[in-house]
Amino acid sequence: ETGVTQTPRHLVMGMTNKKSLKCEQHLGHNAMYWYKQSAKKPLELMFVYSLEERVENNSVPSRFSPECPNSSHLFLHLHTLQPEDSALYLCASSQETGYYGYTFGSGTRLTVV
Amino acid sequence: AQSVAQPEDQVNVAEGNPLTVKCTYSVSGNPYLFWYVQYPNRGLQFLLKYITGDNLVKGSYGFEAEFNKSQTSFHLKKPSALVSDSALYFCAVRDLRMDSSYKLIFGSGTRLLVRP
Repeated sequence: ETGVTQTPRHLVMGMTNKKSLKCEQHLGHNAMYWYKQSAKKPLELMFVYSLEERVENNSVPSRFSPECPNSSHLFLHLHTLQPEDSALYLCASSQETGYYGYTFGSGTRLTVV
Repeated sequence: AQSVAQPEDQVNVAEGNPLTVKCTYSVSGNPYLFWYVQYPNRGLQFLLKYITGDNLVKGSYGFEAEFNKSQTSFHLKKPSALVSDSALYFCAVRDLRMDSSYKLIFGSGTRLLVRP
């Protein structure tokens, strides 16, 4: 394990469902990130939180709603998703300086049916 | 703008042969460079990084990378490939701008296939 834990590992949801992805780290990092990884596409940075404040939102549709209640936890709330939202969602954390790079979780494989 | 390029979508190599996965970058100032590896349905795992110092950086699993400032490259290498090295490899550069000093910019990834 890397020290960044994502749950659930797999999620199948209907387009009308509401679900949440969870990410937890106890590495003492103060920045957290959500990435989307679709087949044959580059990694897409979705959101960045630094010191629990959202500092970047890369034109992500409002059906994705992040939440960072404290420096150890990050959520991605999902509602009324589309089939094209099916992907691997990766959480990462780092020190704000970025000196040591990012530590990634194992991801949540999301399938929207 | 900061950027990183991995010109090869896939690299094929026979087991026991040396391998190279290419990465070039474009940044202002001194670059912080990283390599990550991703196995199927897993997150990215850190392999190695270059911050300063010796241009040849050694990392996990026998991988190394050579920083070349004049060619703005940071190619990943291994003297003898293993079938288990087959995975997706990402090069990344740290964005040093004040408003995003903690952001990594990732390349598009290169799939390495090592055949027995």
